[in-house]
Amino acid sequence: GAGVSQSPSNKVTEKGKDVELRCDPISGHTALYWYRQSLGQGLEFLIYFQGNSAPDKSGLPSDRFSAERTGGSVSTLTIQRTQQEDSAVYLCASSFAGTANYEQYFGPGTRLTVT
Amino acid sequence: QKEVEQNSGPLSVPEGAIASLNCTYSDRGSQSFFWYRQYSGKSPELIMFIYSNGDKEDGRFTAQLNKASQYVSLLIRDSQPSDSATYLCAVGSYKAAGNKLTFGGGTRVLVKP
Repeated sequence: GAGVSQSPSNKVTEKGKDVELRCDPISGHTALYWYRQSLGQGLEFLIYFQGNSAPDKSGLPSDRFSAERTGGSVSTLTIQRTQQEDSAVYLCASSFAGTANYEQYFGPGTRLTVT
Repeated sequence: QKEVEQNSGPLSVPEGAIASLNCTYSDRGSQSFFWYRQYSGKSPELIMFIYSNGDKEDGRFTAQLNKASQYVSLLIRDSQPSDSATYLCAVGSYKAAGNKLTFGGGTRVLVKP
């Protein structure tokens, strides 16, 4: 079946502009995650959605970052007033929560470059 | 101390040899353990998961878990140049909010023909 999809694959924006990144999880997966990976670095957790529960926003680095998930499916990560340090690959993952397994499957990512 | 630690490498392995990757974690409540492979410029790909102490084999990959010592390892047998990638260890805990995983920084593996 179809995997996690993300759009756009690449985004170049000017400092101070707002950007929206989209994630479409695997069908039937109730949990959705956003991570950030800077060049040569590990994965940094940003936010987690599980069904209709309140999201876990503990990883968001500043109030310029926000995310929403509509209808328990597609999610949008919004970065306001982008800064150069926001340049990274933003990865979305989904999992079939509700089982004892936590396997997360990643999308191809969005490479964000802030000039 | 980082929650999940891996040697950054690079781990250089001759083709056909066994690559051995280690990962240690600090949370004794951790219950699930995953290995992801990440090729340069690509997203992580799940290759193994293990929940119980002992070994779990899948093809050329073997995951080993020792909860008492808080480490998990990945063995890659008959290493191929196509195995050259960064391998990420991820750890999940029932105590964590929901299903959030904690990732190590990754070990870069280079398989030389």
